[in-house]
Amino acid sequence: QSALTQPASVSGSPGQSITISCTGTISDVGDYNLVSWYQQHPGKVPRLMIYEDYKRPSGVSNRFSGSKSGNTASLTISGLQAEDEGDYYCCSYAGSITAWVFGGGTKLTVV
Amino acid sequence: EVQLVDSGGGLVQPGGSLRLSCAASGFNFFTYSMNWVRQAPGKGLEWVSYISSSSDTIFYADSVKGRFTISRDNAKNSLYLQLNSLRAEDTAVYYCARDAAYAFEVWGQGTMVTVSS
Repeated sequence: QSALTQPASVSGSPGQSITISCTGTISDVGDYNLVSWYQQHPGKVPRLMIYEDYKRPSGVSNRFSGSKSGNTASLTISGLQAEDEGDYYCCSYAGSITAWVFGGGTKLTVV
Repeated sequence: EVQLVDSGGGLVQPGGSLRLSCAASGFNFFTYSMNWVRQAPGKGLEWVSYISSSSDTIFYADSVKGRFTISRDNAKNSLYLQLNSLRAEDTAVYYCARDAAYAFEVWGQGTMVTVSS
């Protein structure tokens, strides 16, 4: 069982928007502004999409946005494209004892 | 070009040992904290270990504490992970990852570790 809870799957049509939730606790997501999101295509290396809850690394499309409320973080992808299909993982820093915790991952299907 | 190249994986028997390496290039390795993250076949990502730029701070996941040892050689731009007392559940692709703002900013291509008799 993963420390952070994500839906197993979400789907959307091209052009639509989807949101993936990531629920943690007051000891991780709720305690630090350090949630990050990763995209992984099948057989590929994970790619950082969002860090510090909502910041986008250079080169990441502004169609990807992050937010947080309490113990739940969210990744929203607007204007869905076929290339967005893949697995998405959230991750939160959780202090010096636990360090980092990941969500179980969400499979995004663009139908 | 910023690059991390993982190596050292392979097939090992339960109880055996392995040493993974990560060669860094294209950036000032000595200024960055580094991590190891693993992914079991068909499963999600799991953080394994962290080491600060000067090696003065080290963290381990509970699942590997006491069995794995992270280290680095800044003169060689290299990160290491010593895996001892390996178990079947350690079977995974192991990635080294550069730390930035408590996120895993740059990833190696991964190296596969298979623990099986």
